[in-house]
Amino acid sequence: KNQVEQSPQSLIILEGKNCTLQCNYTVSPFSNLRWYKQDTGRGPVSLTIMTFSENTKSNGRYTATLDADTKQSSLHITASQLSDSASYICVVSLFNAGNMLTFGGGTRLMVKP
Amino acid sequence: EAGVAQSPRYKIIEKRQSVAFWCNPISGHATLYWYQQILGQGPKLLIQFQNNGVVDDSQLPKDRFSAERLKGVDSTLKIQPAKLEDSAVYLCASTSGLAGGAGELFFGEGSRLTVL
Repeated sequence: KNQVEQSPQSLIILEGKNCTLQCNYTVSPFSNLRWYKQDTGRGPVSLTIMTFSENTKSNGRYTATLDADTKQSSLHITASQLSDSASYICVVSLFNAGNMLTFGGGTRLMVKP
Repeated sequence: EAGVAQSPRYKIIEKRQSVAFWCNPISGHATLYWYQQILGQGPKLLIQFQNNGVVDDSQLPKDRFSAERLKGVDSTLKIQPAKLEDSAVYLCASTSGLAGGAGELFFGEGSRLTVL
């Protein structure tokens, strides 16, 4: 069964600190992996998209890594800000005719002053 | 570039009533998705359209949910009759080209449904 598991489920950090969110998947064959940020009451917004040949991709203070061999990805947030408080969702695309997307349950991050 | 538009943003209904949500994707986007997101969980696919054809509706509860995209542009999602467990945010998303390819996937702000 194609699954995407994220950890931790929730995380509280102090402003200015770094954190790393994890995503493990069993989706196969793999097409691409995306990280989304979802603010409370808003729709998800794309942070990064990585294909199997990409190991790392950055978007400002967000850096995503991908290990296609171990089927793991991480999202590292540097120098966190209060505005980083949100849910972060990992999405993996299945390489098939319909390119189905499988969503993780998300990690809820709270950044405190 | 205008984003994905959804309406209404909020809806409160009694159980067994009906409700409809509307989505206008980004212009030119061939692929449109409807997702159900229950509080604290990731989005769950309900239906995926490629132009006006259905690609995947395997998780759509067809006894009460229906969706259409008649002209390959706007889409509506209907629930009739609603149950308490349908309380969720209904997200619409669109992308150009092939469904789920490496293209950017854009989400609307969602329609929050509360069933009493």
